[in-house]
Amino acid sequence: QSALTQPPSASGSPGQSVTISCTGTSSDVGGYNYVSWYQQHPGTAPKLIIYEVSKRPSGVPDRFSGSKSGNTASLTVSGLQADDEADYYCNSYAGSDTWVFGGGTKVTVL
Amino acid sequence: QVRLVQSGAEVKMPGASVRLSCRASGYKFTDYYMHWVRQAPGQGLEWMGTIDPSGGRTSYAQKLQGRVTMTRDTSTDTVYLDLSSLIFEDTAVYYCTTRGGTSYSYSMTVWGQGTTVTVSS
Repeated sequence: QSALTQPPSASGSPGQSVTISCTGTSSDVGGYNYVSWYQQHPGTAPKLIIYEVSKRPSGVPDRFSGSKSGNTASLTVSGLQADDEADYYCNSYAGSDTWVFGGGTKVTVL
Repeated sequence: QVRLVQSGAEVKMPGASVRLSCRASGYKFTDYYMHWVRQAPGQGLEWMGTIDPSGGRTSYAQKLQGRVTMTRDTSTDTVYLDLSSLIFEDTAVYYCTTRGGTSYSYSMTVWGQGTTVTVSS
């Protein structure tokens, strides 16, 4: 049960896009289409923004999109806005009723 | 609406145990797994384990096996987290979370407000 690997930081100017990777193994990310992404602003609880690799919950803007190739999942935030500045975490189901998070990526809007 | 209300902050000595609670409302408690996730100061999210409230079956993160116990009370729609032999590194905000009432499979949709546990001598 090792943590998924995310880059510690990413940045972009307003209006640009930023993509965050999340690398696991064939036992988690690569083995199931159950990758989810969470946005967390300082001092608040995480918020679900993507589930089942690429699906958006109701109310989440379509500026947020997810994908997966092999053992790596990705989150793209398009049309960056100031409020997108936050920490982002990937999460994957890892079988046998276990889940694993990534280490988190801090997104800075320049 | 779906709501998770957690118990209050705790301060414990190293070696002690702590029990946290999380009361659910707004959905059918026994239909959805409940997870516990913690976040140490300045650190990332860590999945601790999950409980199936319908039968009480649990699954825990390997690194916490032997120190963590999750239970539930279906009469009050409450789940409990017991963590024993506390060490300084257990200092964190602890969240309960569920996808309760949603179709967002294998996700954590609703979160409690968090409970701060401080381990200090």
